Amino acid sequence: EILLTQSPGTLSLSPGEKVTLSCRASQSVSSNFLAWYQQKPGQAPRLLIYGASSRATGIPDRFSGSGSGTDFTLTISRLEPEDFAVYYCQQYLNAPRTFGQGTKVEIK
Amino acid sequence: EVHLVESGGGLVQPGGSLRLSCAASGFTFSHSSMTWIRQAPGKRLEWVATMNQDGSEKYYVDSVKGRFTISRDNAKNALYLQMNTLRAEDTAVYFCVTSRGYYDYWGQGTLVTVSS
Repeated sequence: EILLTQSPGTLSLSPGEKVTLSCRASQSVSSNFLAWYQQKPGQAPRLLIYGASSRATGIPDRFSGSGSGTDFTLTISRLEPEDFAVYYCQQYLNAPRTFGQGTKVEIK
Repeated sequence: EVHLVESGGGLVQPGGSLRLSCAASGFTFSHSSMTWIRQAPGKRLEWVATMNQDGSEKYYVDSVKGRFTISRDNAKNALYLQMNTLRAEDTAVYFCVTSRGYYDYWGQGTLVTVSS
């Protein structure tokens, strides 16, 4: 089973700031089979990024994904008020598909 | 527009059973692999089970093997999860999702609480 570890656990930021979230895998996620999701309180997660760097339909271009192997990053270029949420990474290289524990981006 | 609507959650005693349903619309259901994912309170998301397009392949997380059964009815655009011998650790919100390895569309979830 591939273990995904996200850091930091919580980020306290202001609107307009740049955000960099990290996801580290316990073994290489080849072919970049890694996705990112956003979840707001009381809502289902929403797919942001798949294939490590491809934005899902309707996702603003301030969201970008990068990385390869065991280290992946989600970047939000300028935080908007609606971006305060929990972000999860997920690998789909191996079964079982696994998720990170999440990073909470909160308003400072 | 894709819609996935789960139902069937509720409060059940340990050892009991529940059947979750997911009504799908807005896409060609019979062409889509489908998955159940759950989220226990304050915990990370956990993949539970996946079924391929025609129902010929099913996969489960180890913790539910032998207790949960995923099924689908392509004529009714519906996905199901039969949950038997429920345990306290099965308490979670259960999401119905379309799957391509990653999960592109999600329902709003249905809460299952296992408690005496």
